[in-house]
Amino acid sequence: QVQLVQSGAEVKKPGSSVKVSCKASGGTSSTYEITWVRQAPGQGLEWMGGIVPMFGRANYAQTFRGRLTITADDSTSAAYMELNSLTSEDTAIYYCARGRAARFGLPDHWGQGTLVTVSS
Amino acid sequence: QSALTQPRSVSGSPGQAVTMSCTGTSSDVGRYNYVSWYQQYPGKAPKLIISDVTNRPSGVPDRFSGSKSGNTASLTISGLQADDEANYYCCSYAGSYTLIFGGGTKLTVL
Repeated sequence: QVQLVQSGAEVKKPGSSVKVSCKASGGTSSTYEITWVRQAPGQGLEWMGGIVPMFGRANYAQTFRGRLTITADDSTSAAYMELNSLTSEDTAIYYCARGRAARFGLPDHWGQGTLVTVSS
Repeated sequence: QSALTQPRSVSGSPGQAVTMSCTGTSSDVGRYNYVSWYQQYPGKAPKLIISDVTNRPSGVPDRFSGSKSGNTASLTISGLQADDEANYYCCSYAGSYTLIFGGGTKLTVL
C-alpha cells in the first residue's frame, strides 16, 4: 500500500518561501508521478504541478510559473515543493499525491496535507 | 485555464441515487479518458473513488460509478448512505502534462 508522509505545518511571513517535503513508501515499481495540489480554506482543490522522479522534469500550472519549484530524489522516494514570494493568498493546505506517470499523474494516493499559513 | 464546472451542491435521501456532473471542454474532459473522482470529508485528504472515467479502485463500493458523454463526466452514487455525505471533486488531464480540477460538489444526505 502506498503511503505518502508530508512535513509538518509551517507559518511564514509574506515575501518569504516555504518548502514542503513528501516521502513515499510502498506500492509497485511502476513509473509514477508526484503531483502537488493545494486547497485554500473553504475552497476547492487546485493543481499546482507535478514531477516524474525517474526523469526529474517538472511541469507547472501557469498560475505558479516563476515562483514554484518541484523537485524529487528518486533514490530516497522524496519529493519537494518550494513556493516563493508568499502572500496571504498562499495560505492553504498543500497535498502531495502520487499517480502513475502513464496516466499523467492523476492522483491515486494522497499525503496527509501540510498547512501553510502566511501571516505577518 | 478555468476549473471544470461542477454543481455546488446536490442532495438525496438514503437509498436514492444521485448523479453529479463535471463539465469541461473538448481540450480536457472531452478529449481524454483520464478523469478521476475524489471524495473528501472535512479536514481529511481526498480519496480516489473513480479513475479513468469508469474504473473503481479496489475497496470502493460498487454503488459508485462513473461515466462520460462529450465534455461532461458524471459520478453516480446509488443506494445513498449517510456516510456518503462529503465533497466530491473531479479531475481531468488537460494536455501538455497539466491537470485540472472541478470546483467541487457538496453532497448532502437528507
